Amino acid sequence: EVQLVESGGGLIQPGGSLRLSCAASGFTFTNYVMSWVRQAPGKGLEWVSAISGTSLSTYYADSVKGRFTISRDNSKNTLYLQMNSLRAEDTAVYYCAKGQRGILAAGILEYWGQGTLVSVSS
Amino acid sequence: EIVMTQSPATLSVSPGERATLSCRASQSVSSDLAWYQQKPGQAPRLLIYGASTRATGIPARFSGSGSGTEFTLTISSLQSEDFAVYYCQQYNNWPPITFGQGTRLEIK
Repeated sequence: EVQLVESGGGLIQPGGSLRLSCAASGFTFTNYVMSWVRQAPGKGLEWVSAISGTSLSTYYADSVKGRFTISRDNSKNTLYLQMNSLRAEDTAVYYCAKGQRGILAAGILEYWGQGTLVSVSS
Repeated sequence: EIVMTQSPATLSVSPGERATLSCRASQSVSSDLAWYQQKPGQAPRLLIYGASTRATGIPARFSGSGSGTEFTLTISSLQSEDFAVYYCQQYNNWPPITFGQGTRLEIK
């Protein structure tokens, strides 16, 4: 059974940093592109970032480029999102998601974690 | 960036009736279109990918159609557990992956 469990969220002041983690199990982690998707309170879904199985390729939404860094440790089956220079508009539930195999299919988010809430406020 | 637009924003339907949700892409995404269901307090769940292929475990009352720029999600004979928010998403030209703004399906 595929499981994705996020952690690391919390209350942080504007300008601060936070690192989210997503522990994966139930599949061969290194074989899949992984993504982060966020959802601001009462709003829709916004894709944030993705990383290839080998970490050779990383992708970011314009809204977080230069501030967020996605990474993964395949030996620990764990995905990370380092968030720096946080802003109020980064307040959201952050989900990690597993893509299907394939270049385009990696964008099909077939499994999601339960999410972790990041609140940016003074 | 491909912009996804869903309509209507809110759809009121009675249990047992059919619901039809629409999604339009700002440019062709071929059949690289997915639908997700999200219930309050829960993560999104993949329903449909490839515009018309049901994901594992998704009941047959959910069906998707369309290609290019116009897509439809149909839920035949609505059950109580189907009232939720539905999002379409394109993966034809990413990054970025882009979602529609969602359609809230509510009980009439």
